[in-house]
Amino acid sequence: KAGVTQTPRYLIKTRGQQVTLSCSPISGHRSVSWYQQTPGQGLQFLFEYFSETQRNKGNFPGRFSGRQFSNSRSEMNVSTLELGDSALYLCASSLFQMNTEAFFGQGTRLTVV
Amino acid sequence: GQNIDQPTEMTATEGAIVQINCTYQTSGFNGLFWYQQHAGEAPTFLSYNVLDGLEEKGRFSSFLSRSKGYSYLLLKELQMKDSASYLCAVRTAGNKLTFGGGTRVLVKP
Repeated sequence: KAGVTQTPRYLIKTRGQQVTLSCSPISGHRSVSWYQQTPGQGLQFLFEYFSETQRNKGNFPGRFSGRQFSNSRSEMNVSTLELGDSALYLCASSLFQMNTEAFFGQGTRLTVV
Repeated sequence: GQNIDQPTEMTATEGAIVQINCTYQTSGFNGLFWYQQHAGEAPTFLSYNVLDGLEEKGRFSSFLSRSKGYSYLLLKELQMKDSASYLCAVRTAGNKLTFGGGTRVLVKP
């Protein structure tokens, strides 16, 4: 059974650009959550999607957005990139929203220059 | 607010046992996770506790007391490859995980 797949693995962008990251959950999993990890702030929750609907949202500005498709694959978008957006972006996949285990993908390392 | 506390760093000797404690105060609780994360890599799932008690998986065990807002991860027969950060996370709403700052474990020969 394939794990959680995130693409691309690495990205370098310049300030002001936008970026789209992709996450394919484990087959059959319907819940996808996104996290940002930085050395200073640790792992912080961005948002969660289940059945193509955003169910929870963290405390990030509106430049961070996402969506989920009918096959449960999810994308997140960051517009008007800032240097502080440089981080490891991780997605986690679960069968359902609750009472199930959550598995992380390998992450996308975004560097904003 | 959400508060999850775990020690910043622990050091132990190869072959020994280490216990990493995690205390939490959260609005909402639907399970507690432990993840292992090696430097530069993604977190790897170790355990999930939703009911009180001990869950054992090989060399790793995890304990939960919901009434005390407390969990621990027990690592037995430590190996050098166990040197990593260990993350405690509480599922607070839906599939939202709130993480502690992580405990860096250094295993010495």
